[in-house]
Amino acid sequence: DIQMTQSPSTLSASVGDRVTITCRASQNIGSWLAWYQQRPGKAPKLLIYKASTLESGVPSRFSGSGSGTEFTLTISGLQPDDFATYYCQQYNSYSTFGQGTKLEIK
Amino acid sequence: EVLLLESGGGLVQPGGSLRLSCAASGFTFSSHAMTWVRQAPGRGLEWVSGISGGGSTNTYYADSVKGRFTISRDSSKNTLYLQINSLRAEDTAVYYCARTANPQWDYGEYDFWGQGTLVTVSS
Repeated sequence: DIQMTQSPSTLSASVGDRVTITCRASQNIGSWLAWYQQRPGKAPKLLIYKASTLESGVPSRFSGSGSGTEFTLTISGLQPDDFATYYCQQYNSYSTFGQGTKLEIK
Repeated sequence: EVLLLESGGGLVQPGGSLRLSCAASGFTFSSHAMTWVRQAPGRGLEWVSGISGGGSTNTYYADSVKGRFTISRDSSKNTLYLQINSLRAEDTAVYYCARTANPQWDYGEYDFWGQGTLVTVSS
């Protein structure tokens, strides 16, 4: 089974900051990686797929990069709505989620 | 508009059973692979099970539920199901259904999600 490890688990930042979340796969998954945002009490929302393709309607301050085993999600110019939990998901071999990164207001 | 609406959750005793349903609308349900993802209280997302679309019936399960959970779909009713048996306390979670974005694939990214249904396993 493919394991996904996100870091950090918690990230404190301020409005306007640029932040980066990392996701590492236990084996090569190519570019088969997605990122989701989840607000408390809500379903996850797809942000990025195929490692770097922005889902329709998602603001351009979100970007993704990486391939193989190491991936990053970057948010440039944090907005108040961005404080949430973020998950990566591999879909090279069915599906595995990372453990999540909670983005908090500093 | 794509909509996914889960139902069937509730309080059940350890060892009991439930059948969750996910009613789909706004897209060609039969074409897309579908999946169940759960989230225990205060915890992260866990993929549980998936089923292919396009007329095939390939099914996939996480090791933690294999042999106890059964995924199925009824395209005549545009509904996805998850039969969950031999429930344990650690199965307590919100269960989400989600649509796989690309109808050509058995699995992939999930572009639409339901609002979730809560399953609580307790005596």
